[in-house]
Amino acid sequence: DTGVSQDPRHKITKRGQNVTFRCDPISEHNRLYWYRQTLGQGPEFLTYFQNEAQLEKSRLLSDRFSAERPKGSFSTLEIQRTEQGDSAMYLCASSGTSGPGELFFGEGSRLTVL
Amino acid sequence: QKEVEQDPGPLSVPEGAIVSLNCTYSNSAFQYFMWYRQYSRKGPELLMYTYSSGNKEDGRFTAQVDKSSKYISLFIRDSQPSDSATYLCAMSGGANNLFFGTGTRLTVIP
Repeated sequence: DTGVSQDPRHKITKRGQNVTFRCDPISEHNRLYWYRQTLGQGPEFLTYFQNEAQLEKSRLLSDRFSAERPKGSFSTLEIQRTEQGDSAMYLCASSGTSGPGELFFGEGSRLTVL
Repeated sequence: QKEVEQDPGPLSVPEGAIVSLNCTYSNSAFQYFMWYRQYSRKGPELLMYTYSSGNKEDGRFTAQVDKSSKYISLFIRDSQPSDSATYLCAMSGGANNLFFGTGTRLTVIP
């Protein structure tokens, strides 16, 4: 399968713990995005990478959140000192040279903070 | 006011019906309009992509954009049980972030 893959698919953690999610985009795609989706809502933009450069961050991305894409391939999203409000589906997407909005999403990493 | 408004439904229709899904938006800078389909516990999948105003047809799906009214629609003809999913509208002004609606949950009853 050459789609976007995310790991882990589901993470349960206690409040205050740190968690890290990994995303492997489609190999030829240079653009990578992180979105967050809560129950009954549409995805909300968190951050965007072009190759290894993080070019855009949403105000939703508080200081506790950090994302990296060290070699322009896979990306990680880390949440420090998790809070119950962080419980959501974290979606990664990638795109190539196509127009804005033509994103290929992974199946998401579901976070539950107890 | 949210940038993108979408009726969350749920919407139930019999198999074979024509389905109409709609979104309104407030930002006149939006130029790119998308419909994504999301099955339960899966990531969204791009269904239709249009630029500016007009219609686009792909098989049983037709996307319409009316920029003067800030209104977009997705029509599904001859709906099938496999069309049961949440349909998300999304739009962009050309920047790298998309603005999504809340999604409309559709069930097609055999």
